[in-house]
Amino acid sequence: GEDVEQSLFLSVREGDSSVINCTYTDSSSTYLYWYKQEPGAGLQLLTYIFSNMDMKQDQRLTVLLNKKDKHLSLRIADTQTGDSAIYSCPRDNYGQNFVFGPGTRLSVLP
Amino acid sequence: KAGVTQTPRYLIKTRGQQVTLSCSPISGHRSVSWYQQTPGQGLQFLFEYFSETQRNKGNFPGRFSGRQFSNSRSEMNVSTLELGDSALYLCASSLAGTGRLGEQFFGPGTRLTVL
Repeated sequence: GEDVEQSLFLSVREGDSSVINCTYTDSSSTYLYWYKQEPGAGLQLLTYIFSNMDMKQDQRLTVLLNKKDKHLSLRIADTQTGDSAIYSCPRDNYGQNFVFGPGTRLSVLP
Repeated sequence: KAGVTQTPRYLIKTRGQQVTLSCSPISGHRSVSWYQQTPGQGLQFLFEYFSETQRNKGNFPGRFSGRQFSNSRSEMNVSTLELGDSALYLCASSLAGTGRLGEQFFGPGTRLTVL
């Protein structure tokens, strides 16, 4: 997990925006992904971005990629209690497997 | 289309025993990857199978092994269980692996507790 760095925890109030950040030591991935993991459930793909893009918007989700700084962020607008989960941003290890960071646990307070 | 299924969902074993976990990928998917998730850790890659062959392997001891059948179903085996093997084991299927747009679909996991 050293290749992918994330803060472990984030708390926001319902209705606010959440920003979850990832930093990579290796920027070789062609695609970068955001996954959401709710308690007792597997990982669900939220969105992905192609490495030659710097932004992608998908409804309440905005992904920003700063390739120079090897930094990826996920912004969730109007955060809801149902958004409470662990968010992961794995990188693709040269087409072999995903390398995950520790995940960021997002808590949404009412 | 049915998702990735894993059985059993929960398992309790004692040290020294062995365990076999099963994963059925999405129909048509030929790649199955296994990951271990422990509290406070991200997912750690165990191995990937494609068309019945182990194609990639992570840094886990030889006690962890797997196989894939001709219908793409995969099993993972852990022998001589240790307390530290307690974890959530997730499998993921994809059409052909993580190359290009390698979206992986994850199962709900098997929670293994070693006493």
